[in-house]
Amino acid sequence: GQSLEQPSEVTAVEGAIVQINCTYQTSGFYGLSWYQQHDGGAPTFLSYNGLDGLEEKGRFSSFLSRSDSYGYLLLQELQMKDSASYFCAVRDRSNDYKLSFGAGTTVTVRA
Amino acid sequence: DGGITQSPKYLFRKEGQNVTLSCEQNLNHDAMYWYRQDPGQGLRLIYYSQIVNDFQKGDIAEGYSVSREKKESFPLTVTSAQKNPTAFYLCASSIGRGGSETQYFGPGTRLLVL
Repeated sequence: GQSLEQPSEVTAVEGAIVQINCTYQTSGFYGLSWYQQHDGGAPTFLSYNGLDGLEEKGRFSSFLSRSDSYGYLLLQELQMKDSASYFCAVRDRSNDYKLSFGAGTTVTVRA
Repeated sequence: DGGITQSPKYLFRKEGQNVTLSCEQNLNHDAMYWYRQDPGQGLRLIYYSQIVNDFQKGDIAEGYSVSREKKESFPLTVTSAQKNPTAFYLCASSIGRGGSETQYFGPGTRLLVL
């Protein structure tokens, strides 16, 4: 099966940088995705890493190290609207390429 | 505008009752999914479909049923066999089930038991 671990909560001030770590265990790792979900809303896609390294997308970047079974999402120049839950998800080729989600990290941005 | 719609936004179920959640997409996506989300938890896959008239069980399919008679529609029935149905249900779609493909989510249906 698959298992993912990420911190449950992170609090930071506006303008700060936050790193959300995700470690995973899966037998047929194919890629790591990140989704954002505001309270009561639908998850929206943020980024995908299929290869090792850093993917930069504006204020949000994502990193993957397949040898360490580890990735992170980096949120820069935090804004109040970034207060949300962030989920990492792995796709497993041995599990019909289905996505398995972590429990989510709630990010709270303070003024 | 293309997107995924789910209805109703809130649904109440009585003891022993089957209820059906609607999911429609006009993105021309082949793959569709149903997830269940409980408070403070991630998304768990109930059922998924990669093509019309075909679907597979996810990780928590017991007490649920689906159909995929049209590409645009993937309704989920929560049967009376599901003893703990209170949750937030999310429908999603993607172009295919390939490794890097993004899943697009609907706004969700919150199911409550009376």
